[in-house]
Amino acid sequence: DSGVTQTPKHLITATGQRVTLRCSPRSGDLSVYWYQQSLDQGLQFLIQYYNGEERAKGNILERFSAQQFPDLHSELNLSSLELGDSALYFCASSVNSASSTDTQYFGPGTRLTVL
Amino acid sequence: AQSVAQPEDQVNVAEGNPLTVKCTYSVSGNPYLFWYVQYPNRGLQFLLKYITGDNLVKGSYGFEAEFNKSQTSFHLKKPSALVSDSALYFCAVRDIGADKLIFGTGTRLQVFP
Repeated sequence: DSGVTQTPKHLITATGQRVTLRCSPRSGDLSVYWYQQSLDQGLQFLIQYYNGEERAKGNILERFSAQQFPDLHSELNLSSLELGDSALYFCASSVNSASSTDTQYFGPGTRLTVL
Repeated sequence: AQSVAQPEDQVNVAEGNPLTVKCTYSVSGNPYLFWYVQYPNRGLQFLLKYITGDNLVKGSYGFEAEFNKSQTSFHLKKPSALVSDSALYFCAVRDIGADKLIFGTGTRLQVFP
């Protein structure tokens, strides 16, 4: 167990809908990262937050947004869902921010299925 | 741009035999390299990382990796494979100037009894 928790484990929804994925980092970790794992794109970085502020952005669609709250948990919001958004979404956390060599520890993921 | 390549989609090995999962990297500057393992319906578990220092890095569950600068490789190894090692293995490099990880495509390791 990495200490990173994600809810829900599974999410099934319809096209056009909006969902929220939640992540709680390991105790003491200030950085939260979101990754998407799909069959065609592999594991791709979406976005990073550090202590409440957006730190880095990857291949995140405009329909997707995220935030990190004062208690350091993070939420990833996916809207206007399309079939192609079906994937496994991982959250990871690490102690520090950019220029660090800290290890990122991953949660168990949320499997999103869009029908 | 930073990248890693895992040239084998699948590696098959008999239990008790040594295993190697290959990874090559392309980076500008010093590479920070990682190995993760993903078991079915589970998240990614950290195995080991190379930042600097000894070229042989020891990690969890008896795994180790050898950093080779001249060959730009970071192969994952284990002296004696277990059936329970069967999983999907990912090599990753930390992006320069950002904290994100760039992952390879993954290698499925199958250990046969």
